[in-house]
Amino acid sequence: KNEVEQSPQNLTAQEGEFITINCSYSVGISALHWLQQHPGGGIVSLFMLSSGKKKHGRLIATINIQEKHSSLHITASHPRDSAVYICAVRRGSQGNLIFGKGTKLSVKP
Amino acid sequence: DAGITQSPRHKVTETGTPVTLRCHQTENHRYMYWYRQDPGHGLRLIHYSYGVKDTDKGEVSDGYSVSRSKTEDFLLTLESATSSQTSVYFCAISEDRFNQPQHFGDGTRLSIL
Repeated sequence: KNEVEQSPQNLTAQEGEFITINCSYSVGISALHWLQQHPGGGIVSLFMLSSGKKKHGRLIATINIQEKHSSLHITASHPRDSAVYICAVRRGSQGNLIFGKGTKLSVKP
Repeated sequence: DAGITQSPRHKVTETGTPVTLRCHQTENHRYMYWYRQDPGHGLRLIHYSYGVKDTDKGEVSDGYSVSRSKTEDFLLTLESATSSQTSVYFCAISEDRFNQPQHFGDGTRLSIL
């Protein structure tokens, strides 16, 4: 079983819809990251969080440490949000990140 | 955007040949990482560096070596490339290993025939 599981694997939405991407993990963590990989391949760090919630523009990331679960929400989605969204966790006191396989989001106009 | 440059961006080579990928940063970050990305897998760490001449293995280090002779450069070498090393390789940097996010380069697409 993968230590980091994302759902759904693929997601198609209409412009303006509210989107939720989920990440579940099976190990104790010290931090969780959300990243965005553009269609051209570049990877951008969106959030790093260890508790609660963070917001940046139309993106909101939440984490529930007890349930070992995080969600990434996109409000008022736009075609430019089309990308692969990747969840990664830092296990306990170790420094290395463990990555999920990603969720491919396509937002149609 | 973090100043990270990977070279080459694309490379096609034959099995058994040596290959070196370069990662260059202008941010003076202490930590540098090499990852590979393959279909059906998340990003996987190959090697990382925590300073000049200080490196350590990641989860998929077999068949790869690295060197860091200057803060700004981190080289990944495939001594004798195999078809299983066909992948997209990403370099990343961070100021701190635990408390800061990693910033990624644009990737190198490597095909080994």
